[in-house]
Amino acid sequence: DTGVSQDPRHKITKRGQNVTFRCDPISEHNRLYWYRQTLGQGPEFLTYFQNEAQLEKSRLLSDRFSAERPKGSFSTLEIQRTEQGDSAMYLCASSPQILDREYGNTIYFGEGSWLTVV
Amino acid sequence: KQEVTQIPAALSVPEGENLVLNCSFTDSAIYNLQWFRQDPGKGLTSLLLIQSSQREQTSGRLNASLDKSSGRSTLYIAASQPGDSATYLCASLMDTGRRALTFGSGTRLQVQP
Repeated sequence: DTGVSQDPRHKITKRGQNVTFRCDPISEHNRLYWYRQTLGQGPEFLTYFQNEAQLEKSRLLSDRFSAERPKGSFSTLEIQRTEQGDSAMYLCASSPQILDREYGNTIYFGEGSWLTVV
Repeated sequence: KQEVTQIPAALSVPEGENLVLNCSFTDSAIYNLQWFRQDPGKGLTSLLLIQSSQREQTSGRLNASLDKSSGRSTLYIAASQPGDSATYLCASLMDTGRRALTFGSGTRLQVQP
């Protein structure tokens, strides 16, 4: 179990550029989540995949944001035409799909990808 | 819409003290409530998960309780240590089938040696 892996860990980009983050979940976890966290705040939900299907999207996920999980394994989060307000840490998490009512929904987070838009 | 509040926002205590962190939520129709730890610049580590049908969970020096009807959860840390210094976040999962966690803003804990 190597944990949830995110890449890159840090990204500085100029306003208007596109950026892409990658997340490799824990193997055999079919649920994958993206959250965004700004300084001093708790994470905010962005989107959720079960296998390759994107089942939930937050209203925070504007049309400049797109997330994919093409083969039900790794996922990418792309931000187009970045704005300074996009500066945040983008967290990926995964969890196994097991009987929730017996085992709950323990979720495992990666170390996050820091984005700074200048 | 669920709102989660954590009080206090920051806390500094001397080593060895027992302490309580508070979490309140506005909508009691939760599926479970989780407590996480976050070290500066790092991701989150799940500490305890309490199902809606449970009253408390314990792990080592940590004990989390849940009072769903009053919309409250507490995290009790016994005999605090400098290594406990971190931000502690609580998050609720609603009993709607949706998978989104709603987080509080966290309590930043500093344990002085």
